Amino acid sequence: AQSVSQHNHHVILSEAASLELGCNYSYGGTVNLFWYVQYPGQHLQLLLKYFSGDPLVKGIKGFEAEFIKSKFSFNLRKPSVQWSDTAEYFCAVNAGYSTLTFGKGTMLLVSP
Amino acid sequence: EPEVTQTPSHQVTQMGQEVILRCVPISNHLYFYWYRQILGQKVEFLVSFYNNEISEKSEIFDDQFSVERPDGSNFTLKIRSTKLEDSAMYFCASGRAGSTEAFFGQGTRLTVV
Repeated sequence: AQSVSQHNHHVILSEAASLELGCNYSYGGTVNLFWYVQYPGQHLQLLLKYFSGDPLVKGIKGFEAEFIKSKFSFNLRKPSVQWSDTAEYFCAVNAGYSTLTFGKGTMLLVSP
Repeated sequence: EPEVTQTPSHQVTQMGQEVILRCVPISNHLYFYWYRQILGQKVEFLVSFYNNEISEKSEIFDDQFSVERPDGSNFTLKIRSTKLEDSAMYFCASGRAGSTEAFFGQGTRLTVV
């Protein structure tokens, strides 16, 4: 069975600081990797995804993530956060067309 | 941009009562899902639905839960006799054929008192 762990439950940053949110997964086979974001009062939105190819994937709003197979990691990064990035961020995996397995989420608070 | 919509956004119900959570998936999607998130915990898979039947369900999805696509547009989750521990945010999602990406609704917060 797949599992996903996100290292931080809460992260507080000032605007313009750099962001890295950790995500590790456990699964023996090929996986698809996702980062979702949930802004306050809104639905889960896909930030970016990795299926195959270049392990550095770029998503919306300046976010990127790097898949490191040897470390079973898919960390989310943004060089300079904005107040509007305040949200909860979820890492998720699936194998093929199977259902998503989510991490617990990381609440990011960006102070202006 | 098409999106998944869920109603109501918040429902309060008494223990033992039945609740129906409603979802309108994106119109050309064929796969439908319910997930839930108990406060402070992970988003957990409940059930997936394809071709008018359940394709996969988790151990959480016991006999008190059921899903239905009554009219070709709505996708509902029914909880027959709610328990306090059913209090959670329930997310509906839908996906296209041949795609592993799921599109989520904004969730229904269910509070059982």
